[in-house]
Amino acid sequence: SQQGEEDPQALSIQEGENATMNCSYKTSINNLQWYRQNSGRGLVHLILIRSNEREKHSGRLRVTLDTSKKSSSLLITASRAADTASYFCATGRTGANNLFFGTGTRLTVIP
Amino acid sequence: EAGVAQSPRYKIIEKRQSVAFWCNPISGHATLYWYQQILGQGPKLLIQFQNNGVVDDSQLPKDRFSAERLKGVDSTLKIQPAKLEDSAVYLCASSLGLAGGPNTDTQYFGPGTRLTVL
Repeated sequence: SQQGEEDPQALSIQEGENATMNCSYKTSINNLQWYRQNSGRGLVHLILIRSNEREKHSGRLRVTLDTSKKSSSLLITASRAADTASYFCATGRTGANNLFFGTGTRLTVIP
Repeated sequence: EAGVAQSPRYKIIEKRQSVAFWCNPISGHATLYWYQQILGQGPKLLIQFQNNGVVDDSQLPKDRFSAERLKGVDSTLKIQPAKLEDSAVYLCASSLGLAGGPNTDTQYFGPGTRLTVL
């Protein structure tokens, strides 16, 4: 499969809690990106982490990358109802010109 | 700055009919992408342009799908004839097309066109 796999497929939490979603992939990459998609809308870029980085922060987002395990995680702290969306990881494979998107995690934050 | 524009937002057609989608990328973005997103799945790249040249169309079903990006700006994606399995959201995205490699670019997505084939 060309796509990565996100885990879990769906996640439901209470507002204020932290949300963690994971992404696994199979090939060598030079970067991994996370995107958010609100229902019926296009995707919005959240964060990019390069293969030589292990952790990156942006506001309430924290991304980790473990290239030895071919996995990444996205942590959203202090979740809000507005964080309700689908989250996709996308891998930039070494030698490729484009991104390969995973199957997504559907996050629901209950007010 | 204005975002990626797409039209129409929704389209319903019968199988074997033809349909066309239009995309206007962010001004100055050299790279343009068309993705197909089937319900419950992630986007799948159909075709990638760098200016008006094709970088990757390996997953474009060329017997029925075609795309062009004349003058390296706007782009159209056409399906002729449509099949039931073409029902999906068609997303257009653009990126600057950095020298470091397009797969490290941030991609900016349009709202998509939801196609239903009956």
